[in-house]
Amino acid sequence: NAGVTQTPKFQVLKTGQSMTLQCAQDMNHNSMYWYRQDPGMGLRLIYYSASEGTTDKGEVPNGYNVSRLNKREFSLRLESAAPSQTSVYFCASSERAAMNTEAFFGQGTRLTVV
Amino acid sequence: AQSVTQLDSQVPVFEEAPVELRCNYSSSVSVYLFWYVQYPNQGLQLLLKYLSGSTLVKGINGFEAEFNKSQTSFHLRKPSVHISDTAEYFCAVSEVSSASKIIFGSGTRLSIRP
Repeated sequence: NAGVTQTPKFQVLKTGQSMTLQCAQDMNHNSMYWYRQDPGMGLRLIYYSASEGTTDKGEVPNGYNVSRLNKREFSLRLESAAPSQTSVYFCASSERAAMNTEAFFGQGTRLTVV
Repeated sequence: AQSVTQLDSQVPVFEEAPVELRCNYSSSVSVYLFWYVQYPNQGLQLLLKYLSGSTLVKGINGFEAEFNKSQTSFHLRKPSVHISDTAEYFCAVSEVSSASKIIFGSGTRLSIRP
């Protein structure tokens, strides 16, 4: 009954450090997403993967890279962290079938870049 | 490309009063529409969704929303709110032709006064 699992839950980085946020889903969903949530700006799409083997840029991709490792896993990498990347990051997944396009979310990763 | 506008960043209401949270969208094609709720320090969960058919959609916790194609709106309503409804509410849209990308609004914080 895990759904979407994100690790880590909290992280503090120094400016310039790199890190990878991990996400895994056990619902056999085709599509996966990474969003960032900032006060007053809602959720903004960073990258998404419509299906295994494909990735596409969202609204705010600069400074990030992603890897769709397999159908279950979708990771987000910050190569050189900046204070502007301080945010709460959410991973989500959804099935592409027309009658079930809702997204299921993980619990989030709170990232602080100092 | 699709977009979502939530005009009210905060909505304060008294307990047991009715509430309406407004959502307008923009898209050149048919869309799926969603309302999600985020309780403090948690991920997002689906309240309700409009895929097709009846324009009045009922969701969990007594919420409902009405799809109005001519006004490109999908407002969320509840006839009588409770303290437990205190949360942030997000409207989201996904284009039918490309159901892999879900775009969110900036959110409306609902605060309930006793």
